[in-house]
Amino acid sequence: DTGVSQNPRHKITKRGQNVTFRCDPISEHNRLYWYRQTLGQGPEFLTYFQNEAQLEKSRLLSDRFSAERPKGSFSTLEIQRTEQGDSAMYLCASSLGFAGSYEQYFGPGTRLTVT
Amino acid sequence: SQQGEEDPQALSIQEGENATMNCSYKTSINNLQWYRQNSGRGLVHLILIRSNEREKHSGRLRVTLDTSKKSSSLLITASRAADTASYFCATARVVGFQKLVFGTGTRLLVSP
Repeated sequence: DTGVSQNPRHKITKRGQNVTFRCDPISEHNRLYWYRQTLGQGPEFLTYFQNEAQLEKSRLLSDRFSAERPKGSFSTLEIQRTEQGDSAMYLCASSLGFAGSYEQYFGPGTRLTVT
Repeated sequence: SQQGEEDPQALSIQEGENATMNCSYKTSINNLQWYRQNSGRGLVHLILIRSNEREKHSGRLRVTLDTSKKSSSLLITASRAADTASYFCATARVVGFQKLVFGTGTRLLVSP
């Protein structure tokens, strides 16, 4: 399967702990996006990379959140000092990144539960 | 915050019937996309319609776009139990950077 993969699929952590999620995009895609989805809502944009450059961050992304995409390949999303409000599904998507290729391909997500 | 609102929030139909769901959005867009989400396969792209298009078809899907009313509709014809899922519209505002702004979704249940 050459789709977008995310690890882990589920993460349970105690409040105050740090967590890190990984996303492996489709190999030829140079754009990578992170979204967050809470129960009963649509996904909300968090941040976007073109190759290794992080080009936009949502105001939802507080200073406890950091994302990287070293060498423009996989990406990691780290949440420090987790809070119960961080409990959500974290989705990664990738796209080709040239004009006309607007479809985004989503991974299965990482479900985070903060207790 | 969500840009789009979808209507209805939930829809229950029988196999073979058509399902129509609507999406309204607030700002000007470059394109509007529809995605399906179920527990088995995550979010899957269904169809994209550009701001200069009014209607588009893909298999059993028909999408319309009315930019003057800032609204779109998704019609699924001859529905199947496998169409049971949540459906989201998502808008992209800026050419070149395609951040998607999702609606709140319509939960579709298709009964055999």
